[in-house]
Amino acid sequence: ETGVTQTPRHLVMGMTNKKSLKCEQHLGHNAMYWYKQSAKKPLELMFVYNFKEQTENNSVPSRFSPECPNSSHLFLHLHTLQPEDSALYLCASSQDGKGGGRIVFFGPGTRLTVL
Amino acid sequence: AQTVTQSQPEMSVQEAETVTLSCTYDTSESDYYLFWYKQPPSRQMILVIRQEAYKQQNATENRFSVNFQKAAKSFSLKISDSQLGDAAMYFCAYRTISGNTPLVFGKGTRLSVIA
Repeated sequence: ETGVTQTPRHLVMGMTNKKSLKCEQHLGHNAMYWYKQSAKKPLELMFVYNFKEQTENNSVPSRFSPECPNSSHLFLHLHTLQPEDSALYLCASSQDGKGGGRIVFFGPGTRLTVL
Repeated sequence: AQTVTQSQPEMSVQEAETVTLSCTYDTSESDYYLFWYKQPPSRQMILVIRQEAYKQQNATENRFSVNFQKAAKSFSLKISDSQLGDAAMYFCAYRTISGNTPLVFGKGTRLSVIA
């Protein structure tokens, strides 16, 4: 595997379910991100992790819970979601600091549908 | 706070023709990075081109080039010899030169290529 991978690619869940999205980056980066992309809204940054520490949480509802166990893996735990949470969830990573070039690399996304 | 504005929600171009996508941004920083990302339908977001603000020379990547006007805070993308595979959402993005700041995205421009 290369780049940024995400599983599952598609997920359908009921409002009472608990599920998790997984992201893995194979680029040796030190920062990881979750973005939400809805059909009629711009890309929304949800969470930022630098060196496994959460540095940004953009007023995301508590039904979304991130976890970053190490610099290569990022999870998004979902529980009691609402239909309006249906969207494409993108994971991304970057190498911040010297030599990183400030480029952010994206995964293919998880298409989430909440029934 | 930095903002990125893409004023063209949709654009279309004939195959083999040239099209220019507009982007303006607002920042008080003197040095930063600007990016164009491409997101084809149901496919991964990828970097098209990057510009460092301290470089006066416009970046070029094969058929893709930018017109960077720092004083006007304008960063347009020109696609020459358009191909069917260029059909996608194009996002303009800004990032500071250092620090733990994430990408700031515009709302995107959907480009259609007509055969």
